[in-house]
Formats: sequence, C-alpha cells, structure tokens
Amino acid sequence: ETGVTQSPTHLIKTRGQQVTLRCSSQSGHNTVSWYQQALGQGPQFIFQYYREEENGRGNFPPRFSGLQFPNYSSELNVNALELDDSALYLCASSLEDPDTQYFGPGTRLTVL
Amino acid sequence: SQQGEEDPQALSIQEGENATMNCSYKTSINNLQWYRQNSGRGLVHLILIRSNEREKHSGRLRVTLDTSKKSSSLLITASRAADTASYFCATGLNQAGTALIFGKGTTLSVSS
Repeated sequence: ETGVTQSPTHLIKTRGQQVTLRCSSQSGHNTVSWYQQALGQGPQFIFQYYREEENGRGNFPPRFSGLQFPNYSSELNVNALELDDSALYLCASSLEDPDTQYFGPGTRLTVL
Repeated sequence: SQQGEEDPQALSIQEGENATMNCSYKTSINNLQWYRQNSGRGLVHLILIRSNEREKHSGRLRVTLDTSKKSSSLLITASRAADTASYFCATGLNQAGTALIFGKGTTLSVSS
C-alpha cells in the first residue's frame, strides 16, 4: 500500500458531461501529479501541483484542470467529456523531491 | 508522446527463469525509474537509477543504465508467478515541474 487513495474506483459518464476525480495523498507529500492511462498504453502526464500551485503541465487541453488543497487532497476536473477521455486516471504524490512518486489505485473513467 | 520505449512488448517465461526488459529513451535525463503495474491498477515503484549511476540492485532486481546509448535494462532473477505484471520505465526530465514520462511497457507473464 502506498497510502495514496483515489475515488471513485469506477465512473461512467456521457459525452459532454463534466467529471471530478479525487485523490488523497500521504501526509506531508506536497507534490501531486495526475496521469491518464489509455488501455494498452503507458501513463501520460497531465499536470503537477506543488503547494497548491500548478507546477507543470503535459500536452492536455485546458478542459483538464486541477486543484490541490492544504490537507494533501487534490482534484482532477474534466469538462466537456469526449469518448477518448475514457481511461484509467492515476494520481501520484511525492515529497519535495518528486522523482519517487507513490501512485494511487486509479479511477477508471468510461465515457459513453 | 512517449519518451521511453520498452522492449519486448510481451515476454512469457517459466518460474525460476530470469526476465530481462529493455528501455530506450530520447533525451537527457536526471534519472530513470522502473514501475510495475498489476492488471490495470496503480503503479508500484521498483527502483530508481540516477544518470551518474551505471548499475543498481534491489533484491531480485538489477537495473543498468547506459547514458551513451540512452538505454536501460531491468533484470528480474528467479522469477515467480507473482511477478506477472506490466513493467514500465519512466524518465524524470531536466526541467521545473519534473514529471515522469513513461514508455508503453512490457507485459511479463510467468507461468508455473
């Protein structure tokens, strides 16, 4: 167990809807990263938050947004869902040195 | 886009045999990490090797890094059925907001 939890485990949405995924990091881990993993692919970096500020972003459109809270929890919000957003979404937390990241079990999002 | 590419894409071996997976990457790196993923769940950090290291061991795992060839290998000795999983290499980039860039992974199947 990594001490990182995510909710919900599974989620089904329809195209055009909005979704919020949640992550709870280990206590003291002030960096959180979010990844999207399509079936059969490796995880793709979405963005990273450090002390509640966005600290890097991958090649994802602005409809992917996030928040990090002082209690080490964070959210990933996706607006105007598209079919291709169907994937496993992973969050990972780390200490000051983000090189070693601790992953949560993921949220499986299906967009119909 | 993917930074690392694992080879082979799939590997099937018997219990007790050794498994070797390779990873190639494209740009300069701070470090390279290997992760394991069971059945589309969260990723588990296995080992991190820094750019100034050439070899690292952890239990039954041995990782090598050749920065001149931009390649790394992961060796699992005396494999067990429980080693069945997907294995990913990931690189940390030399930039602020360090993120992990993953390859597509090697699927390892160990049969008893």
